[in-house]
Amino acid sequence: SQKIEQNSEALNIQEGKTATLTCNYTNYSPAYLQWYRQDPGRGPVFLLLIRENEKEKRKERLKVTFDTTLKQSLFHITASQPADSATYLCALGGYSSASKIIFGSGTRLSIRP
Amino acid sequence: DVKVTQSSRYLVKRTGEKVFLECVQDMDHENMFWYRQDPGLGLRLIYFSYDVKMKEKGDIPEGYSVSREKKERFSLILESASTNQTSMYLCASRDPGKNYEQYFGPGTRLTVT
Repeated sequence: SQKIEQNSEALNIQEGKTATLTCNYTNYSPAYLQWYRQDPGRGPVFLLLIRENEKEKRKERLKVTFDTTLKQSLFHITASQPADSATYLCALGGYSSASKIIFGSGTRLSIRP
Repeated sequence: DVKVTQSSRYLVKRTGEKVFLECVQDMDHENMFWYRQDPGLGLRLIYFSYDVKMKEKGDIPEGYSVSREKKERFSLILESASTNQTSMYLCASRDPGKNYEQYFGPGTRLTVT
């Protein structure tokens, strides 16, 4: 069955360092991969999308890589800040509107001052 | 700004009751989704609808049904609530032409006693 795994339930990083989160998947050939941020008591908020034919995407302090051979995406936050503390979810999907979307269970990131 | 609203933030129901969770989006999105989120299990897709009156089962449809009579409204129905349906329920909508970005509502925390 299709499966997504995100690295460790929690990650603690010193402010200013780069946080790296991992998303691995099996039994799926996604057309794209997305990253979302979720704060406690709120719904997830979209951050970035990377397509199957793209290797890397950047947005401000965020960088996402996508390796379809390894079936892995890495999500980096550079110059991390306490305000970056949240749970980060990866999701996979296909281009058809009827394609199923699957989410990972998330990684809780804590940035300490 | 896209807004997705859900009828209740918190709901307490008794075992065996029929429960309606309502979701409304104001951006004319074609696709709408219902997820449940449980600790350690992440977001799991219950049902989705890629167009009015169209619905598709997600990964965990058992015990649930949905209704989409109008484009802006997607309802989740628990036919006979059970304690294992205690969870956070999240609704989302999407315009597939825009990065497949899903916009989530704030969630409904349902407790079944």
